[in-house]
Amino acid sequence: DGGITQSPKYLFRKEGQNVTLSCEQNLNHDAMYWYRQDPGQGLRLIYYSQIVNDFQKGDIAEGYSVSREKKESFPLTVTSAQKNPTAFYLCASSNTETQYFGPGTRLLVL
Amino acid sequence: RKEVEQDPGPFNVPEGATVAFNCTYSNSASQSFFWYRQDCRKEPKLLMSVYSSGNEDGRFTAQLNRASQYISLLIRDSKLSDSATYLCVVRGSSASKIIFGSGTRLSIRP
Repeated sequence: DGGITQSPKYLFRKEGQNVTLSCEQNLNHDAMYWYRQDPGQGLRLIYYSQIVNDFQKGDIAEGYSVSREKKESFPLTVTSAQKNPTAFYLCASSNTETQYFGPGTRLLVL
Repeated sequence: RKEVEQDPGPFNVPEGATVAFNCTYSNSASQSFFWYRQDCRKEPKLLMSVYSSGNEDGRFTAQLNRASQYISLLIRDSKLSDSATYLCVVRGSSASKIIFGSGTRLSIRP
């Protein structure tokens, strides 16, 4: 059945380490997004992509990188430059206006 | 001033009660409006879009007031399963202009 998958569900990062969060969708959506959610706060946009091989920075892109080599996939790398990476990371995709979310990845720093 | 503001709650109401939330937005050029529901430690899920004429889906009614720049969500005959955080989402003209409110927590007691 169609949907958005994210893996892993939990991810632990050591100091100075880069980690990559996976996001895959089989909804045939062109647009994909990465958000970060901190406790008690709304979602903040990290990066978005409206088409394959193209992506744009959101409001809090520093310390993150993405790629969009395939329509179905939009991985997010949290680099060592991101000094406060502990958060709930949500991937979304959309057809026209409505966004659909994956189950999220919780990133924790060891 | 935040672009999208919601009363964080929590709203604690008895089962069967009617409860209403408001959400205000600052950008008068905003084009689309949505309510999402987010359960604890889960991803947001679309509850309903909000149309200029107002719309209803079962026990849920959403309304938009462009002149005063707010949207509202009314829940009638509330159920225990309605306990969640309700996110207001406002979309502008581009993918980068999707703004999430911080959410209103609702708790329904037996």
